[in-house]
Amino acid sequence: NAGVTQTPKFRILKIGQSMTLQCAQDMNHNYMYWYRQDPGMGLKLIYYSVGAGITDKGEVPNGYNVSRSTTEDFPLRLELAAPSQTSVYFCASTVTGGYTEAFFGQGTRLTVV
Amino acid sequence: GQQVMQIPQYQHVQEGEDFTTYCNSSTTLSNIQWYKQRPGGHPVFLIQLVKSGEVKKQKRLTFQFGEAKKNSSLHITATQTTDVGTYFCAALTDNYGQNFVFGPGTRLSVLP
Repeated sequence: NAGVTQTPKFRILKIGQSMTLQCAQDMNHNYMYWYRQDPGMGLKLIYYSVGAGITDKGEVPNGYNVSRSTTEDFPLRLELAAPSQTSVYFCASTVTGGYTEAFFGQGTRLTVV
Repeated sequence: GQQVMQIPQYQHVQEGEDFTTYCNSSTTLSNIQWYKQRPGGHPVFLIQLVKSGEVKKQKRLTFQFGEAKKNSSLHITATQTTDVGTYFCAALTDNYGQNFVFGPGTRLSVLP
């Protein structure tokens, strides 16, 4: 049982490049989330999904896109990378939204130069 | 939208001293969760509080939920170097329980 798996762990992007951050969970959780964490700061919600085919914006969605074609996978897409997107990105999943514990992936450390 | 505040932002203690962090909301909360993030790591769930006035203990950690369900605290007795990290509270942001917002966290450092 791997839990929540994120790839890659580290990535350096040039301004204007695009990339997809992968997130997969094997716990059959309906709820999945993407957060970003800037240095020394808390977690800000980017997008979330309550089930396959359903996604919604969080607090800071600009510059990102998501899709949820399966229960297991919730990729995050950066279309035109900007230095302001330099951050650590965490994917998380829960059984019943905010009523049960969230399981986090190990994070993806992204630097845009 | 829903916001939760945490104080203090930073706390430096000598090993063996106690530590407390507080989480406050302007609105009544359905529940509150606490997470710990070690330096360079990811948040790890510690506990969930649901009932007004609830108190839960995990070894040296004591968690409380306020009577009005607008605030919560985490108290660590006799800190150890293994307690180093950032402690976050998290609260539901909508009436459907679909997502939750994290407080800014309290960063604890423990001097040996």
